[in-house]
Amino acid sequence: QITLKESGPAVVKPTQTLTLTCTFSGFSLSTSGVGVAWIRQPPGKALEWLAIIYWNEDRRYSPSLKSRLTITKDTSKNQVVLTMTNMDPVETATYYCAHRPAPYHFDFWSQGTLVTVSS
Amino acid sequence: QSALTQPASVSGSPGQSITISCTGTSSDIGGYNYVSWYQQHPHRVPRLLIYGVNNRPSGVSNRFSGSKSGNTASLTISGLQAEDEADYYCSSYTSSSSLIFGGGTYLTVL
Repeated sequence: QITLKESGPAVVKPTQTLTLTCTFSGFSLSTSGVGVAWIRQPPGKALEWLAIIYWNEDRRYSPSLKSRLTITKDTSKNQVVLTMTNMDPVETATYYCAHRPAPYHFDFWSQGTLVTVSS
Repeated sequence: QSALTQPASVSGSPGQSITISCTGTSSDIGGYNYVSWYQQHPHRVPRLLIYGVNNRPSGVSNRFSGSKSGNTASLTISGLQAEDEADYYCSSYTSSSSLIFGGGTYLTVL
């Protein structure tokens, strides 16, 4: 059974860096074709894809956020970490991590963590 | 990179069929057969309904079907049920090797 759970701060101040960790089980990020992505959703708004890391270390980022995002993985710990620099209040959102079994969809999602950007 | 275009809302009566459109460009929907659809009930986690334009994961009712024509993808829900009332999001792979979501469509079952 695949599960994912994110962890990180509930509140960050404007201009600070957000670091989120996704800890998963039920699959290996060393299996060919597999990826883990981060997706966010501001309250009452649409989903927004942020980044993905693949089994082979390949990384892809949202073009509009690329300069501020870094995604890494620790296969031995079954973790994926997303960092986002220079956070802004408009980026208050629920942040999800999700499992990508094959191109290009997500079949298992974490429960989501609300991150509030406020001073 | 703008979001894919979906109607803000659609509605239908129980038992009816409805279709939700998702319009992109030749750089996303029109260029690849990697369109997915997700259902999200209020305050719940998104659930995968359709992948690869018209494939259903195991466990998803065959009342849900997907299609694509040119730069527009569609999700059709037949035999509407009260439990289908939710937000629906499309997504597509893009030519910049990224993914993009639609703005979401809220389905009301009358």
